[in-house]
Amino acid sequence: QKEVEQDPGPLSVPEGAIVSLNCTYSNSAFQYFMWYRQYSRKGPELLMYTYSSGNKEDGRFTAQVDKSSKYISLFIRDSQPSDSATYLCAMRRSSASKIIFGSGTRLSIRP
Amino acid sequence: EAGVAQSPRYKIIEKRQSVAFWCNPISGHATLYWYQQILGQGPKLLIQFQNNGVVDDSQLPKDRFSAERLKGVDSTLKIQPAKLEDSAMYLCASSGGQGSSYEQYFGPGTRLTVT
Repeated sequence: QKEVEQDPGPLSVPEGAIVSLNCTYSNSAFQYFMWYRQYSRKGPELLMYTYSSGNKEDGRFTAQVDKSSKYISLFIRDSQPSDSATYLCAMRRSSASKIIFGSGTRLSIRP
Repeated sequence: EAGVAQSPRYKIIEKRQSVAFWCNPISGHATLYWYQQILGQGPKLLIQFQNNGVVDDSQLPKDRFSAERLKGVDSTLKIQPAKLEDSAMYLCASSGGQGSSYEQYFGPGTRLTVT
């Protein structure tokens, strides 16, 4: 069993839709949860960062962490074609420990 | 500030040949990481440097991969000899600047194809 599981997609939605991306994990020691966006042929860039459980909002993006269910989500509101990319969830036990990435979900926003 | 620089961007080699990748981190970042990202997978950490010392190389295939960061700034990752399964994107990242020291900044990567 992988430590972090993520549906690879692809996921295709119309522009303006709300997108929900999810990951599950098995290691209860994870405390820091992140979402990265990776455009084709580019390196990942950090989108959202959350410590422990709860919600965090940044513009059109909301990250949710449910540690009791070992489940994290990223919501994108008013999705735009420029949001088309691969989204990687990631987590770590402490701020200095190794990051474990999910396999990524490929998202396409149709104009 | 300038981002993480990597070269070359693309490399095609035959199996059993050797290849080297170069990374220059963001200025002032003490920690440097090399990741391997196979198509359809997330990045996997190969090696982590703190200044010029190795912090974690537990997933580096040491029989064929080597990495160094001699002066605590730029770094090279070498594969010798390459195998078909080494075809992947090799990403360099750095962290440790002011502010959010946990955040890793990734370079554009080097896409390696082994034929």
